Amino acid sequence: NAGVTQTPKFRVLKTGQSMTLLCAQDMNHEYMYWYRQDPGMGLRLIHYSVGEGTTAKGEVPDGYNVSRLKKQNFLLGLESAAPSQTSVYFCASYLKTQYFGPGTRLLVL
Amino acid sequence: TQLLEQSPQFLSIQEGENLTVYCNSSSVFSSLQWYRQEPGEGPVLLVTVVTGGEVKKLKRLTFQFGDARKDSSLHITAAQPGDTGLYLCAGAGRNTGNQFYFGTGTSLTVIP
Repeated sequence: NAGVTQTPKFRVLKTGQSMTLLCAQDMNHEYMYWYRQDPGMGLRLIHYSVGEGTTAKGEVPDGYNVSRLKKQNFLLGLESAAPSQTSVYFCASYLKTQYFGPGTRLLVL
Repeated sequence: TQLLEQSPQFLSIQEGENLTVYCNSSSVFSSLQWYRQEPGEGPVLLVTVVTGGEVKKLKRLTFQFGDARKDSSLHITAAQPGDTGLYLCAGAGRNTGNQFYFGTGTSLTVIP
């Protein structure tokens, strides 16, 4: 089992560009989450999903969109990247505990 | 709004010393989890506490959930260099049990 995987691992964007971060889990978990981690801020929840076809907003959803078309995949989209979105993004799936992916480092210039 | 505040933010100690990390909130949580995160990796769960006043031990680590389920502490006895990492607490919302609120983190360095 690969657990939770994230692609890409690292990306550099220019302001205004768009991109999609992919999260995949092979544990058949219903719940999936997208967080961002910034220095001194811990992890902040962007969006989450309680099952295929459902999504909900977390603490910091502005500037991001998500989709959960398949149970195993949770996509995070940035339509028009801003420097404030420079961060490390973590995906997690949940069953009794959260299982985190290795993260995606995003730099927006 | 940061629901969970951790202290201290940074901690550097010598091998063999004891330490305590605190996780405080004005909100009540249905459960609280502690994670350790190594550089370049995602957080990994250490423990989940559910009942007010609950104490759990994991080798040299002792976790306690406050009686009112608003705060928690992590105590490490005889710290070792392998304990170095970022420690995060995370509370499950009382009315939104499927949302987790993370603390600000405590970066621990244990010097050999």
